Amino acid sequence: AQSVAQPEDQVNVAEGNPLTVKCTYSVSGNPYLFWYVQYPNRGLQFLLKYITGDNLVKGSYGFEAEFNKSQTSFHLKKPSALVSDSALYFCAVRDPGAGSYQLTFGKGTKLSVIP
Amino acid sequence: DAGVIQSPRHEVTEMGQEVTLRCKPISGHDYLFWYRQTMMRGLELLIYFNNNVPIDDSGMPEDRFSAKMPNASFSTLKIQPSEPRDSAVYFCASSPDRGLSTEAFFGQGTRLTVV
Repeated sequence: AQSVAQPEDQVNVAEGNPLTVKCTYSVSGNPYLFWYVQYPNRGLQFLLKYITGDNLVKGSYGFEAEFNKSQTSFHLKKPSALVSDSALYFCAVRDPGAGSYQLTFGKGTKLSVIP
Repeated sequence: DAGVIQSPRHEVTEMGQEVTLRCKPISGHDYLFWYRQTMMRGLELLIYFNNNVPIDDSGMPEDRFSAKMPNASFSTLKIQPSEPRDSAVYFCASSPDRGLSTEAFFGQGTRLTVV
């Protein structure tokens, strides 16, 4: 079975500081990993994904994420946070070895960027 | 493309009533997913379709829930009879058939309140 953990319900960071939102996963084989962002009263928007290759992937709005196979992690990062980055962030995993399109999400991390 | 379109955006109904949620996927997308979001359980996959055929409905909570996809441009999620514990935000998502590495595109959701 595939699963995702986001250990922090909330992350607070000052504007201009670097931010990290943590994610760890569990799958039987090599994972496909995704990050989504949800603004209030909106649907989820895709940010970036890791499929294979370079462990550092870059996505929308200046976000990037680092895949670490030994630590089974896929943390989301941004060098300099903006107030407009305040939102709910979801990590998701898909196990390609299972052959299913099921995407399993973490419970989300609320990011608050303080001016 | 207008993206995934869900209707209604908000629904308030009385316990015991039938509720129907609607979704129009992005044109050309072969996969359609229904998710439920609650504070307690996060995002849960209820069911997904491929080419209008239900592939995995193991997440449907009970027989009161049913989903259909009569054609490539329309899907419904029905709850009959509804109960207060069904109150949640229901998301529809779609994705093209480009392999398991493809991300899903989400609608804005339907906020259901059962009183």
